[in-house]
Amino acid sequence: AQTVTQSQPEMSVQEAETVTLSCTYDTSENNYYLFWYKQPPSRQMILVIRQEAYKQQNATENRFSVNFQKAAKSFSLKISDSQLGDTAMYFCAFMDLVFIIQGAQKLVFGQGTRLTINP
Amino acid sequence: DAGITQSPRYKITETGRQVTLMCHQTWSHSYMFWYRQDLGHGLRLIYYSAAADITDKGEVPDGYVVSRSKTENFPLTLESATRSQTSVYFCASKRAGGGRETQYFGPGTRLLVL
Repeated sequence: AQTVTQSQPEMSVQEAETVTLSCTYDTSENNYYLFWYKQPPSRQMILVIRQEAYKQQNATENRFSVNFQKAAKSFSLKISDSQLGDTAMYFCAFMDLVFIIQGAQKLVFGQGTRLTINP
Repeated sequence: DAGITQSPRYKITETGRQVTLMCHQTWSHSYMFWYRQDLGHGLRLIYYSAAADITDKGEVPDGYVVSRSKTENFPLTLESATRSQTSVYFCASKRAGGGRETQYFGPGTRLLVL
C-alpha cells in the first residue's frame, strides 16, 4: 500500500520569507500523481499544485513550486515571498494510476504540516 | 450556487443515534468521495462512488453506509454513531478522466458524538 509521510508537524516563518515543506512517499508504481492541498482555518481543502510523475519538469504555480525527486520519492513544496494568507495546514497527497474495480484513483494523504506565517 | 456543498456544517449527536451527512455537487462529476479527518491521520477515505448506484469501500468504512441514487448526491450515514466517529467529514468530487482531474472538496462537516 502507498504511504505518504510529512515529517514536519509544524513550521513557522516570517512574512516574505521562503519556506519549504517536506513530503516523502512510498510506492512501487511508476505512474502516479502528487498533490499539495492547503487547508486554511475555514477547513476548505484547496488544491495548490499538482505534479505528474512522468514529467521531469517541476510544477510551478505563481509563488508555489515543487521539488520532485522521483528516485528519492520526495516531493517538497516551496512557498516564496510568503504571505499571511498562506497560514494553513498543508497536505501532501498521492494518487496512483493503477485502475481498481471502478478506477476511482484514490488519494492517499500525509498527516499534514501546520504552517504559520508571522507578520 | 455551483460547486460542492455539505450539510449540516456542524452536528452534535449522541452515541447510538443514526446520523446522515449530505453532500451535493452541481458539476455532474462522476466520482464522489467521503473522507474523515482526524488529528495525526490526515484525511482517510471512507467510501467512494464511480457513478450513480456504484459505490465501494475505502480505507475506513466500518460503521458507515453510503448510497448514490443520483449523480449529484452522495449521503453518508452513520447507522449507530460511536464516539470514535467524532471527526471532520469531507466530501469530494471529480470528473472521470484519470489522474489529471482534480478532486474538489466540500467545506466539511464537523461531527461530535457524545
